[in-house]
Amino acid sequence: DQQVKQNSPSLSVQEGRISILNCDYTNSMFDYFLWYKKYPAEGPTFLISISSIKDKNEDGRFTVFLNKSAKHLSLHIVPSQPGDSAVYFCAASERNTPLVFGKGTRLSVIA
Amino acid sequence: DTGVSQDPRHKITKRGQNVTFRCDPISEHNRLYWYRQTLGQGPEFLTYFQNEAQLEKSRLLSDRFSAERPKGSFSTLEIQRTEQGDSAMYLCASSRTASYNEQFFGPGTRLTVL
Repeated sequence: DQQVKQNSPSLSVQEGRISILNCDYTNSMFDYFLWYKKYPAEGPTFLISISSIKDKNEDGRFTVFLNKSAKHLSLHIVPSQPGDSAVYFCAASERNTPLVFGKGTRLSVIA
Repeated sequence: DTGVSQDPRHKITKRGQNVTFRCDPISEHNRLYWYRQTLGQGPEFLTYFQNEAQLEKSRLLSDRFSAERPKGSFSTLEIQRTEQGDSAMYLCASSRTASYNEQFFGPGTRLTVL
């Protein structure tokens, strides 16, 4: 059973608009959440993270929101740029254990 | 560049052969992880080390797989008697031991078993 779910396999957004990527989880013991970006033929690149004691973390154009009651987190990218086109993975960890990843969402930013 | 490095980047082998991959973590990181990624999936945890101690192995890690991290530095992942189902991207990541666990990934080794 998948503990981390990314239900949208793909998303297309126009350049300059906001991209919103969603992630749901089932394990209430997860206490740390991360987003990774992956280009073809490369390893995942760490993007942004949030601990369960917070509900928002912001880094430049990237903001992650955590709703613990709904077991849901989202990544907002604003404004979206063509270079943001990649596969985005949501990951979660319980007390510093190995990460559990979702299947990813492919973001295409159209110029 | 002081990131995580992996060697080789690509490996093509015939079914039944043994293969070995190497990972060099970021130097100050004492945790090292191995993941496997297949098409359309996210990375799946295989095993991890803290320094030279192997702390956890996934059920995905069959008896044909073995990993080592001698002296707590680089790590090797060996697959014996490869099968076509072993074809995947093998990813290595490293992190500090901390309350919160940002892992940094290498470029991966793409294995193709013919």
